[in-house]
Amino acid sequence: AQSVSQHNHHVILSEAASLELGCNYSYGGTVNLFWYVQYPGQHLQLLLKYFSGDPLVKGIKGFEAEFIKSKFSFNLRKPSVQWSDTAEYFCAVKSSASKIIFGSGTRLSIRP
Amino acid sequence: EAQVTQNPRYLITVTGKKLTVTCSQNMNHEYMSWYRQDPGLGLRQIYYSMNVEVTDKGDVPEGYKVSRKEKRNFPLILESPSPNQTSLYFCASREGGTQYFGPGTRLLVL
Repeated sequence: AQSVSQHNHHVILSEAASLELGCNYSYGGTVNLFWYVQYPGQHLQLLLKYFSGDPLVKGIKGFEAEFIKSKFSFNLRKPSVQWSDTAEYFCAVKSSASKIIFGSGTRLSIRP
Repeated sequence: EAQVTQNPRYLITVTGKKLTVTCSQNMNHEYMSWYRQDPGLGLRQIYYSMNVEVTDKGDVPEGYKVSRKEKRNFPLILESPSPNQTSLYFCASREGGTQYFGPGTRLLVL
């Protein structure tokens, strides 16, 4: 069965620290990959997506992610986090016409 | 403004009392879906619809029904809610691979 794993459930960082959130998926075929962000009390918003081409994808608010096919990974990165990045982050994978599967989410807390 | 709307945003009900959560999108998207979000479990798909009159079960469909009589609307129906359906519900519409989420409906079943 297809699955998406986010191993970090809660990450706590200080402002200006670098961020990397892990995402691994299990599916052998062609995939589309997404990172969504959910700020406190709000709905999910798309941060970035990968469909094809350059495996290093740049998104909004200074986030980027790298698709490494051999590792089935799509890790999210940001060189210097801000307090306003406090949110929950979800990785998602689309592998068929109908299914988008989400990871369990990583809660990011930033100390001011 | 392109958006997905849900109503109500908050709902407290009792076990067994039928309820409907409405979802509407103004982007003319064919694909719509419902998710529930629970702590530590992420988002799980309840039902999806690929077009008018075409619906199918997601990963956790038990206890839910949907209908798609018009392209813009995709209501979620709980015929006999139970406490384990207490959750945060999101409707989404999709174009290509990108989903657009509604603001969420927080449901408490007593």
